[in-house]
Amino acid sequence: EPEVTQTPSHQVTQMGQEVILRCVPISNHLYFYWYRQILGQKVEFLVSFYNNEISEKSEIFDDQFSVERPDGSNFTLKIRSTKLEDSAMYFCASRDRAQGYTFGSGTRLTVV
Amino acid sequence: SQQGEEDPQALSIQEGENATMNCSYKTSINNLQWYRQNSGRGLVHLILIRSNEREKHSGRLRVTLDTSKKSSSLLITASRAADTASYFCATDAGDTGRRALTFGSGTRLQVQP
Repeated sequence: EPEVTQTPSHQVTQMGQEVILRCVPISNHLYFYWYRQILGQKVEFLVSFYNNEISEKSEIFDDQFSVERPDGSNFTLKIRSTKLEDSAMYFCASRDRAQGYTFGSGTRLTVV
Repeated sequence: SQQGEEDPQALSIQEGENATMNCSYKTSINNLQWYRQNSGRGLVHLILIRSNEREKHSGRLRVTLDTSKKSSSLLITASRAADTASYFCATDAGDTGRRALTFGSGTRLQVQP
């Protein structure tokens, strides 16, 4: 069964550093998403991406965040200057129009 | 309550019993989905029910949707210890793919062997 692949599975970074979280969505899917889950809390929407542009973003997704689809397979989330409160599990998801979402297994980001 | 809120927050049952989790939401939806998450792990899609459906089955899972009450329930029959996980409902308010899922806070299910 097709999978959404995320790398790395764990990332530890110092406050103020830039991080890039990587995702390989399912190849024939058209819509891509990033969500995050702070430990013990709800899964929260960050951003959706369609047709090579952001289609929707939440209030969490401020100027410190950016997304990119640099080639036909990767979908990345960049956090420019990490803060302690960015520590969370970050999930990538993709979907085709007719199907439900497929989530990746997540990247656990720890900012120290 | 918030969009996509589950109750109970925690549920502990014995193996073999049925587990029922409920979800309420506020806005109109295109579909509602249920996900499972093992501790610290990824989200696994369990089942999707569209707004024009009232009930759906998948193996030991049974989902109902009542759009007049804006509520859904997930029933796991004949539970197993391996069903221990958190279960989330998520609402999809659009069919263009551009609308984000809104997740509830989840129900933590503990199945005692």
